[in-house]
Parts: sequence; C-alpha cells; structure tokens
Amino acid sequence: GESVGLHLPTLSVQEGDNSIINCAYSNSASDYFIWYKQESGKGPQFIIDIRSNMDKRQGQRVTVLLNKTVKHLSLQIAATQPGDSAVYFCAEGGATNKLIFGTGTLLAVQP
Amino acid sequence: EAQVTQNPRYLITVTGKKLTVTCSQNMNHEYMSWYRQDPGLGLRQIYYSMNVEVTDKGDVPEGYKVSRKEKRNFPLILESPSPNQTSLYFCASSDRTGRSNQPQHFGDGTRLSIL
Repeated sequence: GESVGLHLPTLSVQEGDNSIINCAYSNSASDYFIWYKQESGKGPQFIIDIRSNMDKRQGQRVTVLLNKTVKHLSLQIAATQPGDSAVYFCAEGGATNKLIFGTGTLLAVQP
Repeated sequence: EAQVTQNPRYLITVTGKKLTVTCSQNMNHEYMSWYRQDPGLGLRQIYYSMNVEVTDKGDVPEGYKVSRKEKRNFPLILESPSPNQTSLYFCASSDRTGRSNQPQHFGDGTRLSIL
C-alpha cells in the first residue's frame, strides 16, 4: 500500500461522530484555500475550497472554516463514515503562482 | 469523464535507464504540473506549464525534464534516473490561467522505484 500515511498526525473517530481536521497556513497574503482527500492508492481529490473574503463555506457533509487572524483552516466532516478514512491535507494559494500543500492528517474511522 | 491519466502506474527500473511518465488530461486545461510525494514532505512541485510550449521549474526540478507540445499532454522525463528519485509522482491540471486560486485535478499517481 501507499506510504503517504507514515509520519502523519492521526485523528481517530468513531463512525457517526463529527470530525475536525485542522491546518495552519504560512503566508498571510494567501487568499485561496483548498482541502483535498487522498485515499490509499489514489491521487488527491478536491473536496472544498474557500476564498479569503469568506470565513465559512459548506458542502455536502463538509464545512470549511477560515480564521485569517491566526492563519488557521479547519475541515469539519459530519457523521463520519468508514469511506471517509483517508489522508486529508490543505493547500494555500493566491500569494504566488503556485499552491502550497500541507503534509496532511490521517483520518481513521473506527466502526 | 473528466480526468487526468498517468502511465505507467508502477515502474521498477535501474539507475541510468531513461524513462518517461506520460500525463494526459481531457478537460482542456491550460495549466499542468508534476509533483512528487514523499513521506513526511507532502507534495513538492517539480515542473509546471502555464500553456503549450511554456514550462517552468518548480521547487525540485533537478534530474527531471518536461515538455508541453500539446495542450492535453505533459510528459515527465527522467534522463538518467537515480535512487533518490524513487517516489510517488502526480500529474495535475487546472483551469483558466493556472493561477494559484483554482483547484488542481490530480491523476492517480505513478509509483517509481529506481534500483
């Protein structure tokens, strides 16, 4: 299997609980943020994005919160399911011509 | 189906033997990029292309080449692979000008092992 999950912080939750995954970004000039999900053996999959003129955005079962004051981003997953088990990472952009990716958090959903 | 396709998915080869990893996207995206992913280091950009015939170095370009002769294709070339290039590689593309305020769409990855 993939070794992407090694050395990553891990969040373990029970099926049905809500999950909160956090990300600290580095550049105060960044104005665009994305969350990706990466399952074993697959490429990163876009989940949700948010621009700096917002502090909250909701999708299907997911919510992203942005706190520009402390340069913090979070992803909330409601009613976590076994299929949500994956590595989640954030990316920041807008300040330069490329996205800067975080190293990720491994979400482990216990049945 | 909109997708980014990489080939091969897995390759084991030896030091010095030239190899090419192909990448193709069917979304008419202008921007394409190659990344490598190593444990604990996240995604690091190797090369990117803002449009046909326009390529630029990313953060870790040493030992790699790319070309962008057609909009849909962006091959990654390792002229003389070395063991430190053993990694998981991803190709990605995005819409419009490729500015960093658009989501990038990724392929499923190529696992390279250089012996």
